[in-house]
Amino acid sequence: DGGITQSPKYLFRKEGQNVTLSCEQNLNHDAMYWYRQDPGQGLRLIYYSQIVNDFQKGDIAEGYSVSREKKESFPLTVTSAQKNPTAFYLCASRSGAGDTQYFGPGTRLTVL
Amino acid sequence: SQQGEEDPQALSIQEGENATMNCSYKTSINNLQWYRQNSGRGLVHLILIRSNEREKHSGRLRVTLDTSKKSSSLLITASRAADTASYFCATASPGSGNTGKLIFGQGTTLQVKP
Repeated sequence: DGGITQSPKYLFRKEGQNVTLSCEQNLNHDAMYWYRQDPGQGLRLIYYSQIVNDFQKGDIAEGYSVSREKKESFPLTVTSAQKNPTAFYLCASRSGAGDTQYFGPGTRLTVL
Repeated sequence: SQQGEEDPQALSIQEGENATMNCSYKTSINNLQWYRQNSGRGLVHLILIRSNEREKHSGRLRVTLDTSKKSSSLLITASRAADTASYFCATASPGSGNTGKLIFGQGTTLQVKP
């Protein structure tokens, strides 16, 4: 059963803590993306990676970090430098030949 | 940065009626895509239309693209309660190269009443 998974579904963070959101895909896609969605808003690009061991900043990268050590995995760390991290985070992947992005189910992060 | 705006922001119709959502964008595009999001879920790709296409159909979905007006519309015919969701347009611009980067609109929330 191919797809893209994110964990956890819900995450609670205390102020000052770093947290890592998991994103895994078994679609053999080269490119992966992280988006942030705020209530009633569209998606904003945080980071993206087109190939293993390479990634680029998106429009709102400040306070976030990523790694791409394996093709299947693209974890996102929300650092304490991100002042307003409460949001819905979506991971997506895309094959090199296609234009369509395939999304995971999302992680809802709440800062307590 | 938000590429486009969607109109209306919210739409409420009765089951069986047609629903039309509009998307406007600012810069030239390679393609425009429509995605659907059920509440609290990830996005699902619906349809892609390329800049040299004017209309595309998929089941009950019809998408039009007017590059001279920098706008697109999504028509859902004979709507069902299960169509209740948010719908987003997303554009890929020539400047993105092969990155696959998309810029999303703010979405239209559709409610279909049974």
